[in-house]
Amino acid sequence: AQKVTQAQTEISVVEKEDVTLDCVYETRDTTYYLFWYKQPPSGELVFLIRRNSFDEQNEISGRYSWNFQKSTSSFNFTITASQVVDSAVYFCALRAGGYNKLIFGAGTRLAVHP
Amino acid sequence: GAGVSQSPRYKVAKRGQDVALRCDPISGHVSLFWYQQALGQGPEFLTYFQNEAQLDKSGLPSDRFFAERPEGSVSTLKIQRTQQEDSAVYLCASSLKQGAVGNTIYFGEGSWLTVV
Repeated sequence: AQKVTQAQTEISVVEKEDVTLDCVYETRDTTYYLFWYKQPPSGELVFLIRRNSFDEQNEISGRYSWNFQKSTSSFNFTITASQVVDSAVYFCALRAGGYNKLIFGAGTRLAVHP
Repeated sequence: GAGVSQSPRYKVAKRGQDVALRCDPISGHVSLFWYQQALGQGPEFLTYFQNEAQLDKSGLPSDRFFAERPEGSVSTLKIQRTQQEDSAVYLCASSLKQGAVGNTIYFGEGSWLTVV
């Protein structure tokens, strides 16, 4: 079975703090892809990153970084020096086994206060 | 357009009414998906099209839900005899290639349906 768990329902930080959003996934497939999406109040899911199961190299994009660890089945997302514009709901998602559908976690609501 | 476009953005329907939600995917995208997102939850898969063929409809919650993509571009999700539990955001998404697990899926802003 495919499953994504985002244990943190809500996180509240003050601007300029660093924050890490956790994501744990379950799959029996050896080939799979992991995604992070941002959902601002407008509702659109904005693609942030895609990672395949054969590439555990961590990635940094500006203030965003991702830590993929197959040993713990985790794909965590860190925002450095958070800003108010980072306030949104963030979803981790899994696509595996040749299936075309994404399996989403329940999301983490991030509130960044000035 | 540059992104996935959905209409209407907001729809209030009386219980028992039929509704139709439209999706314009990114031009040239072969794959099209519909997801349902209840308040405070992550999106859940409804159905998948590859061009005009509906290859997976395992997520449709009942036979009141019907989706089509007759010419392989625009898609319509129809809900018959709406019920209050159908209240949700309906997200449409598309991706360029067919079948590949690693394709990035791009989402629209969703159609917010409220059944009263």
